[in-house]
Amino acid sequence: NAGVTQTPKFQVLKTGQSMTLQCAQDMNHNSMYWYRQDPGMGLRLIYYSASEGTTDKGEVPNGYNVSRLNKREFSLRLESAAPSQTSVYFCASRETGGWTEAFFGQGTRLTVV
Amino acid sequence: TQLLEQSPQFLSIQEGENLTVYCNSSSVFSSLQWYRQEPGEGPVLLVTVVTGGEVKKLKRLTFQFGDARKDSSLHITAAQPGDTGLYLCAGGVKGGGSNYKLTFGKGTLLTVNP
Repeated sequence: NAGVTQTPKFQVLKTGQSMTLQCAQDMNHNSMYWYRQDPGMGLRLIYYSASEGTTDKGEVPNGYNVSRLNKREFSLRLESAAPSQTSVYFCASRETGGWTEAFFGQGTRLTVV
Repeated sequence: TQLLEQSPQFLSIQEGENLTVYCNSSSVFSSLQWYRQEPGEGPVLLVTVVTGGEVKKLKRLTFQFGDARKDSSLHITAAQPGDTGLYLCAGGVKGGGSNYKLTFGKGTLLTVNP
């Protein structure tokens, strides 16, 4: 029962470096989400994907790109990391609909120095 | 932009006390959810409310959805140290087709002291 799996769990980047955060779910969900969580800010939506091959911007998409290559996987890419992107990143998935449960991964703690 | 305001942001109480946290918006939501998050973990769903005026109970937790579907509250009776955590409300916003965004409030960090 893996649910939502995120890799890596921890990462330190230098300013300007790039990296991809990976997310995979095994619940056959259509919708997937990427959030960032900062102290006092709750969860802010970066990008989401309603189905394979579609992506939409959330509240804070600048500096990020995403790929939904198949139903299971939704990756988040930082092309040129900045200290402002230091955060905890969460991936989530849920079945299509307005009131279905969202299942979260354990998060990736990213530090940009 | 949908905005969910949660209050209070921080709450520290003694074991056995009652408390209420609030989630308010100027917009109507098709549903509201409450999640609880523990340190180092992702949020976990507590409840979903979909009907205006709805009240749901989960042991010592009581959830209410406002009649106008713009606000919700979470009441905990006789709080215990195990209730400590970050409580987040989330609203479902329908986009195009069957696409739904799930947006979160900033959360209420609850500490229950023994």
